[in-house]
Amino acid sequence: DAGVTQSPTHLIKTRGQQVTLRCSPKSGHDTVSWYQQALGQGPQFIFQYYEEEERQRSNFPDRFSGHQFPNYSSELNVNALLLGDSALYLCASSSNRGAKGHMGGYTFGSGTRLTVV
Amino acid sequence: GNSVTQMEGPVTLSEEAFLTINCTYTATGYPSLFWYVQYPGEGLQLLLKATKADDKGSNKGFEATYRKETTSFHLEKGSVQVSDSAVYFCALSSGGYQKVTFGIGTKLQVIP
Repeated sequence: DAGVTQSPTHLIKTRGQQVTLRCSPKSGHDTVSWYQQALGQGPQFIFQYYEEEERQRSNFPDRFSGHQFPNYSSELNVNALLLGDSALYLCASSSNRGAKGHMGGYTFGSGTRLTVV
Repeated sequence: GNSVTQMEGPVTLSEEAFLTINCTYTATGYPSLFWYVQYPGEGLQLLLKATKADDKGSNKGFEATYRKETTSFHLEKGSVQVSDSAVYFCALSSGGYQKVTFGIGTKLQVIP
């Protein structure tokens, strides 16, 4: 059973460019959350998608946007890249179904390492 | 808002030593508590969890007990191995959509 798959694994972009990161959730999961992990820090929640809609968001700027597709996969888009956007971007999937829901913990992908130069 | 405070590393131990990584939290309601582990170059793996007060989560020799009275969830292992070298994150989730809030992470290095 495949876990969470993220692509690409590494990416180098120039300031001002736009980037799209992709995530396929674990089989059976319907909810996708995105996190930004700066070097030496804990992951910071960006937003969460369920039923193809953004249902929770942190205070990240509007340059960060996302999408969820009918097959539950998701994309994270970042426009007008800044040097400070360099980080590991993690996708986490979970199931919204049942009493346990997310309480069982998220399944994380290995992340996309974005470097902005 | 929710927050997690964990001891800063790095923590360096000899193989077979006892490990404690302290974690305290602030949250509204009744959060679920987690420990995640991140090996070099990898994403996060759920190590153990506890969903209510006095629950003990355990996995691979690691243990943590949900202490509501002290708002703590300290990670312990009786005898660490070199393969336990990694970064350990304490985390909590609460609220309707169970957003996860992470601590800063504690790097553990175990030397032979």
